[in-house]
Amino acid sequence: AQSVAQPEDQVNVAEGNPLTVKCTYSVSGNPYLFWYVQYPNRGLQFLLKYITGDNLVKGSYGFEAEFNKSQTSFHLKKPSALVSDSALYFCAVRRRQYYGGSQGNLIFGKGTKLSVKP
Amino acid sequence: NAGVTQTPKFQVLKTGQSMTLQCAQDMNHEYMSWYRQDPGMGLRLIHYSVGAGITDQGEVPNGYNVSRSTTEDFPLRLLSAAPSQTSVYFCASSLGTSYNSPLHFGNGTRLTVT
Repeated sequence: AQSVAQPEDQVNVAEGNPLTVKCTYSVSGNPYLFWYVQYPNRGLQFLLKYITGDNLVKGSYGFEAEFNKSQTSFHLKKPSALVSDSALYFCAVRRRQYYGGSQGNLIFGKGTKLSVKP
Repeated sequence: NAGVTQTPKFQVLKTGQSMTLQCAQDMNHEYMSWYRQDPGMGLRLIHYSVGAGITDQGEVPNGYNVSRSTTEDFPLRLLSAAPSQTSVYFCASSLGTSYNSPLHFGNGTRLTVT
């Protein structure tokens, strides 16, 4: 079965410092991996995805994520955090190959609340 | 370009009442889905559809029905509301046939069942 773990419920960083939001996954075969961000009272917004190729993926708002196959991880990173980055972040996984049915659906982690203080 | 539109934004129901949450997308997406978001639980898939006339169950389908008569619309019906269905509901769509395509989300419906 597919699953996603975000081990930290909350991450606190100071503005200007680098940030990392952790994600590990479990899926048979090769995965598609995604990060989404949710601001208060809004739906989720797509940030970036890993499909294949370069393990470092760049996305919106200066975010990037590093795919590590051996550690089955896809951590979200940003070199210099902004107060406006404060939000809820979700990692998600989908099987690359599937045989119909529910395996093609996205499975989400429980989310990590990022708080950036001035 | 409206994207994914959900109505209503807020709803309060009494136990046993029924209602329909509306979802419409104008991106000609084949795949549509409904999630519920609960504190500490992340997003859980209720039902999904890979095209008009095709629907299937997700992780938590009990108490909900869906239909997909057109590509654009994917309503979610609560048959007999229960307090356990108090949640925020999100509709999402994607191109569907390309499994690296990201989901596009609506802004959610906050439902309270008393």
